[in-house]
Amino acid sequence: DAGVTQSPTHLIKTRGQQVTLRCSPKSGHDTVSWYQQALGQGPQFIFQYYEEEERQRGNFPDRFSGHQFPNYSSELNVNALLLGDSALYLCASSFYYRDRPYNEQFFGPGTRLTVL
Amino acid sequence: AQSVTQLGSHVSVSEGALVLLRCNYSSSVPPYLFWYVQYPNQGLQLLLKYTSAATLVKGINGFEAEFKKSETSFHLTKPSAHMSDAAEYFCAVSEYNNNDMRFGAGTRLTVKP
Repeated sequence: DAGVTQSPTHLIKTRGQQVTLRCSPKSGHDTVSWYQQALGQGPQFIFQYYEEEERQRGNFPDRFSGHQFPNYSSELNVNALLLGDSALYLCASSFYYRDRPYNEQFFGPGTRLTVL
Repeated sequence: AQSVTQLGSHVSVSEGALVLLRCNYSSSVPPYLFWYVQYPNQGLQLLLKYTSAATLVKGINGFEAEFKKSETSFHLTKPSAHMSDAAEYFCAVSEYNNNDMRFGAGTRLTVKP
């Protein structure tokens, strides 16, 4: 079992550019969540995708958008990059059990984005 | 909305000493609480979770945590620190059927030989 994988590992962009990050969930998982972890801080929830739709969203601007594909993999897109977008972006996958009050999330190693 | 506060951004202990990492939560409904560990340049690994069953939760690598509703706390402990425990530890909370997990700012644990 490969676990959650993310690509690329590192990325350097300049202000104003756009970036796409990718995530493949753990085998058998159908839900993908994205988090932003700034240096020295805890992860912050960006949004979650289930059944190819955004199911829940944190307090992030519309510059942050995503997509989930039929094979459950997901992309995170960030437009008009700002210096403050520099962070480690973590993807987490889970399986949605309708009769459970929570669904354990498994995290990938992250993509480190640097905006110059 | 739910939130967690981790007291102490850095904790240093000697090898073999007790590890105590503090976490207090705020939630309007019964919470689900988690402790994650993050090693350098890696993602998060779940140590343990509280999901309204036993209040004393045992996790991996000898860690455990106790849910205390009266104190709104979920502190992480380990009786005897090992050098390999040096890492960043995050406490997190989520609410029923809410996958918006809120993390604390983290506590960096250093283990001295």
